[in-house]
Amino acid sequence: EAGVTQFPSHSVIEKGQTVTLRCDPISGHDNLYWYRRVMGKEIKFLLHFVKESKQDESGMPNNRFLAERTGGTYSTLKVQPAELEDSGVYFCASSQETGGGYTFGSGTRLTVV
Amino acid sequence: GENVEQHPSTLSVQEGDSAVIKCTYSDSASNYFPWYKQELGKGPQLIIDIRSNVGEKKDQRIAVTLNKTAKHFSLHITETQPEDSAVYFCAARNANNAGNMLTFGGGTRLMVKP
Repeated sequence: EAGVTQFPSHSVIEKGQTVTLRCDPISGHDNLYWYRRVMGKEIKFLLHFVKESKQDESGMPNNRFLAERTGGTYSTLKVQPAELEDSGVYFCASSQETGGGYTFGSGTRLTVV
Repeated sequence: GENVEQHPSTLSVQEGDSAVIKCTYSDSASNYFPWYKQELGKGPQLIIDIRSNVGEKKDQRIAVTLNKTAKHFSLHITETQPEDSAVYFCAARNANNAGNMLTFGGGTRLMVKP
């Protein structure tokens, strides 16, 4: 089966611009997660979708971040306007059930200059 | 909330030696502890996990131990090979967290020298 796919793999934008990251989970996986790793620190939770509904968005840093999962398939994470501290690697993951581990995508490396 | 500490941040071993990475967690309600391996240019990959009703789990050269009383768990890799070189992350999940959120440690960069 195809894994979790993220696009783009890299993005360099200027401060104040908008960037949209996309994640295609494994087909049939209802659970979709966004995480990010900033400046070589720990991987931090952003939010969790179950199908098209936000189950938990407690990790979203502020209202410049907007995640959607229309139709319960792929998800987008928009950062608007981007700030320097948003630089990092954004990972998407998916799982069929909520009780175990999940499969990560390769991530999107976002650099805000 | 949960806090996971991971040590060491970097670890260099000779091929064939063993490597041990340790993590501590703060929330006694945590009941699921996965380990992920991240190779260059790839996302974290689940390599082994353990639940709180088990003290030790093995899978070939990899083993994980859990001490619930002390709130720490460890990853053991025996007979290390150059392809084991990667960044390893431990994580913990709270049993009361219906959303399945994982809290990660800061990562350990393992280098296996041939």
